[in-house]
Amino acid sequence: TQLLEQSPQFLSIQEGENLTVYCNSSSVFSSLQWYRQEPGEGPVLLVTVVTGGEVKKLKRLTFQFGDARKDSSLHITAAQPGDTGLYLCAFEEGSGNTGKLIFGQGTTLQVKP
Amino acid sequence: NAGVTQTPKFRILKIGQSMTLQCTQDMNHNYMYWYRQDPGMGLKLIYYSVGAGITDKGEVPNGYNVSRSTTEDFPLRLELAAPSQTSVYFCASTHFWGGPSHEQYFGPGTRLTVT
Repeated sequence: TQLLEQSPQFLSIQEGENLTVYCNSSSVFSSLQWYRQEPGEGPVLLVTVVTGGEVKKLKRLTFQFGDARKDSSLHITAAQPGDTGLYLCAFEEGSGNTGKLIFGQGTTLQVKP
Repeated sequence: NAGVTQTPKFRILKIGQSMTLQCTQDMNHNYMYWYRQDPGMGLKLIYYSVGAGITDKGEVPNGYNVSRSTTEDFPLRLELAAPSQTSVYFCASTHFWGGPSHEQYFGPGTRLTVT
């Protein structure tokens, strides 16, 4: 059972287009993290959303946490080739104070010049 | 700060061989993790440690062992390598303070092929 479902799995677009990727679950989360992973490197945290309905912006990236804290989206405006990579959402497993992250399967984004 | 470092970057093993993947962090983080990532997939937790001398299994621990004798180091041991262990391995660390969320810092990964 996949606790976090990301869609789409693959996205190939032209430079300048807009896109949205989704991270959905039937569970309620206390927080959700978004990471970006470039080819040959480890994931790097982009943002953490904590409050239901929260919107955070990071330059051309807009992150939203659903009101019910079961889903999140990442919107990229005017995508650039440098946005190419694997986008991963993750939540921290709440029991036992372990900090363990459960990841979605990721969305692979390719932005062509 | 170097952050999280991993060695080696690449390794090819024959079936049945053993090896240790090294991980070191210089951020004085208390918690450390080992993940594996198969092609086009997210990361799955193998083992984790909440402090020196304390380790526990994650989602996919079979075929692996860990130890944590110091705060800085968290090596992952593969015994009797199998083709199913072909993957990219990431070590991560975090300063766990009990808040709602904790950023994990990842190393660059070790790409392992078992043939």
